[in-house]
This record gives sequence, C-alpha cells and structure tokens, in this order.
Amino acid sequence: GAVVSQHPSRVICKSGTSVKIECRSLDFQATTMFWYRQFPKQSLMLMATSNEGSKATYEQGVEKDKFLINHASLTLSTLTVTSAHPEDSSFYICSARGPGLVTNEQFFGPGTRLTVL
Amino acid sequence: GDSVTQMEGPVTLSEEAFLTINCTYTATGYPSLFWYVQYPGEGLQLLLKATKADDKGSNKGFEATYRKETTSFHLEKGSVQVSDSAVYFCALIPNNNNDMRFGAGTRLTVKP
Repeated sequence: GAVVSQHPSRVICKSGTSVKIECRSLDFQATTMFWYRQFPKQSLMLMATSNEGSKATYEQGVEKDKFLINHASLTLSTLTVTSAHPEDSSFYICSARGPGLVTNEQFFGPGTRLTVL
Repeated sequence: GDSVTQMEGPVTLSEEAFLTINCTYTATGYPSLFWYVQYPGEGLQLLLKATKADDKGSNKGFEATYRKETTSFHLEKGSVQVSDSAVYFCALIPNNNNDMRFGAGTRLTVKP
C-alpha cells in the first residue's frame, strides 16, 4: 500500500517551453503533497507543500509563478515548470501523505528527470 | 529549527563489511526519524523508521535505534552486499508539523 507514481519519468524539452509533471497517490487519498528538487549528488530540497483544494505554500526562494502547483483532487498533484531554462534541469520528486495513515510519514514517487536543452 | 546532520561520504566498503552511517538530529520534542535509500536514477524508498525514543527500526538487515539521550539515529548493517550500494538519507519529521527535513545524504559503494 501507499504507492505514489510520477509521470513522466524523464522529459527533455527545449528552452522556453513548459513541462507538466504529474504525481498520483494510487491507493490512498493524499491530503498533502510535497514537491522536492534534487541536484546531482545533493539532498532533496523542499520546493512547496500543497493541500488538496487550496493554494500551495512555497519555500523561500522558490518562484511560484515559475513552478505552478495544482492539487485539484485527493489523488493528483501537478507541477508545471513554465518557460523552462537549462538551470531548471533537475530531478523532481513528489511525496504524499494522507488521512488514515498511521504515522505522519511521507511516501515518495520515483522522480522525474527534467533536462532542458 | 529542526535539522538532521549525517556523516559525509562517500563511504566505500568491501562486501560483508560492517556498516555504520551516523545521523544526529536537532529538534524540539520528539520527532519521527527515518532512513531512506536512493538507488541510481530512482526516487527514495523508505528503509526504516522510528517514532519514539528507544524504538529500533529494522529492515533488510539494516537497523537504527532512536536515541534521545544522544539525539542520534545511526544506521547499521552487519554485513553489506554489493546491492546495498546507494545513497542513504536520514530524515526527520518534527512533532508539530508535516515538513520532512533531510540530511545531506551519504553515498555508499560496496565492492566485491
């Protein structure tokens, strides 16, 4: 149980285009989803926290107009990287937690590797 | 604020060697503590966890004990295998919110 999927697993795009990444909780309702960014050989940096049906809360230094997050349902959150540039190339990982889970543990998706040319 | 510090890597061991990766934390109250493993090109997988003092988390031969007195959650395995080569992250969730705080990660390479 508590499986989180991400799509796509890899994406390559041209500079200036927008890319949408989906995060789904497959067998539980995710009231809260988190988006992380990971640079090579570094730890995960929290970008934003989203609760179903409300606006996301962004961490300091993360541009909310650049990284659009939508959490429209209890099983789906999307991250859209708008007007992507090479410096946005990174590994993006989502996680989710929901009601009814025993602990406040987060369950992680497999990640999406974004390469902007 | 609450944070996690783990030993810097990389760590290189021979197969069947004993593994310790140190992790200490700073937190108010009683956070939940976790170890995650990340294999190349993949997301994070929960390895083990502990939610209160003196709890021992264990999985796949790995163990870690929640030590309140030393604010530590060191990861240990008695005999590592080549397949254990990965990056290991120590993490905590404070007891007053949902944010997970990660350590910097420790890269382990096990050689045959």
